[in-house]
Amino acid sequence: DVKVTQSSRYLVKRTGEKVFLECVQDMDHENMFWYRQDPGLGLRLIYFSYDVKMKEKGDIPEGYSVSREKKERFSLILESASTNQTSMYLCASSIPGTRQETQYFGPGTRLLVL
Amino acid sequence: SQQGEEDPQALSIQEGENATMNCSYKTSINNLQWYRQNSGRGLVHLILIRSNEREKHSGRLRVTLDTSKKSSSLLITASRAADTASYFCAYGNTGGFKTIFGAGTRLFVKA
Repeated sequence: DVKVTQSSRYLVKRTGEKVFLECVQDMDHENMFWYRQDPGLGLRLIYFSYDVKMKEKGDIPEGYSVSREKKERFSLILESASTNQTSMYLCASSIPGTRQETQYFGPGTRLLVL
Repeated sequence: SQQGEEDPQALSIQEGENATMNCSYKTSINNLQWYRQNSGRGLVHLILIRSNEREKHSGRLRVTLDTSKKSSSLLITASRAADTASYFCAYGNTGGFKTIFGAGTRLFVKA
């Protein structure tokens, strides 16, 4: 079974702090994704990566950056956390391809920015 | 917005009844997927149906796809209290690289 883990289930940070959310997958997947989920808005893609050191902006990249130094690890960075970044953050991975294959999700990190 | 639309937004049924959720989308797609999310958890993949398929089954799940109407439905038969969750459709546009998720249907199955 594919396993995607996220570094924290719950996180509380203060405005202006730099926040790191880490995601690790154990299935050698090329593709990895970061989403945020807010009530009534569904999942919105922040960034995705299709290979080590490669990244592409999603729909809402502003205020975020990512790092993919190793294939199994994809980090989301909030450079200076703001209250409007309070949300549920979901990481996912998938096999490569252009047909938008099945994504395997981590358990999520619920971030509260005070 | 490219976001898929799901209907209904919320559904409450008795255990043993069938639950039907619908998803509509706006573009040509490669495939359509359904995911389930228990409260406060990540999404779990349930089933994927390709654009050239019309119906697919997996256990108590039945998914249909009508590309002419740009719609899909998920049927859960003989529902159980453990089926209580949010259900999301997700699809990939032809020529695109990302998967687009709907806003979800919240299903509550009463024991």
